[in-house]
Amino acid sequence: ILNVEQSPQSLHVQEGDSTNFTCSFPSSNFYALHWYRWETAKSPEALFVMTLNGDEKKKGRISATLNTKEGYSYLYIKGSQPEDSATYLCAFSSGDSNYQLIWGAGTKLIIKP
Amino acid sequence: EAQVTQNPRYLITVTGKKLTVTCSQNMNHEYMSWYRQDPGLGLRQIYYSMNVEVTDKGDVPEGYKVSRKEKRNFPLILESPSPNQTSLYFCASSFRVRQPQHFGDGTRLSIL
Repeated sequence: ILNVEQSPQSLHVQEGDSTNFTCSFPSSNFYALHWYRWETAKSPEALFVMTLNGDEKKKGRISATLNTKEGYSYLYIKGSQPEDSATYLCAFSSGDSNYQLIWGAGTKLIIKP
Repeated sequence: EAQVTQNPRYLITVTGKKLTVTCSQNMNHEYMSWYRQDPGLGLRQIYYSMNVEVTDKGDVPEGYKVSRKEKRNFPLILESPSPNQTSLYFCASSFRVRQPQHFGDGTRLSIL
């Protein structure tokens, strides 16, 4: 059974501080790695899709890196703001999963003003 | 406006009464999925479809059916709903699995 792990499960960060969290996935037959931001009472919203080892993506203060050989991706948030409070989900797809997206349980980020 | 539309948004019904949750997208996406979200469990994929007439089971397909007769529509059918199918359901679509998924607004189902 293919599994995606996200850590930590939750995180409290002071406004203005930078933070990062991890998504771990099986490294064989990698196809794609997705990051989503999910605010309470809304739908998940795509941040990044990464497909190549060493990929780095950036959107404003949020960036992500990908290491397919060791099976992990990091999401970084620089200078956290209250509006960054959300659950951050990653999802992984591989040839072994028949291209099904396998989702992690998410990291819940709470920014303290 | 590009969107994924789910209906209904909310439904309370009783055990055994067949129901269908519709999902429609206007972006000509090939890949469509259904998910359920339960507290502490994140998103779990029920079924997905890589293209018209192609559907595959996800992690939790038991008790659900889907069909993909047209590219834009991907209805989720609960033939005989049971209380353990009470959940928040999301439909999502993308051009390919390597493209970002666009999510509908969600359907909250309560099965009594």
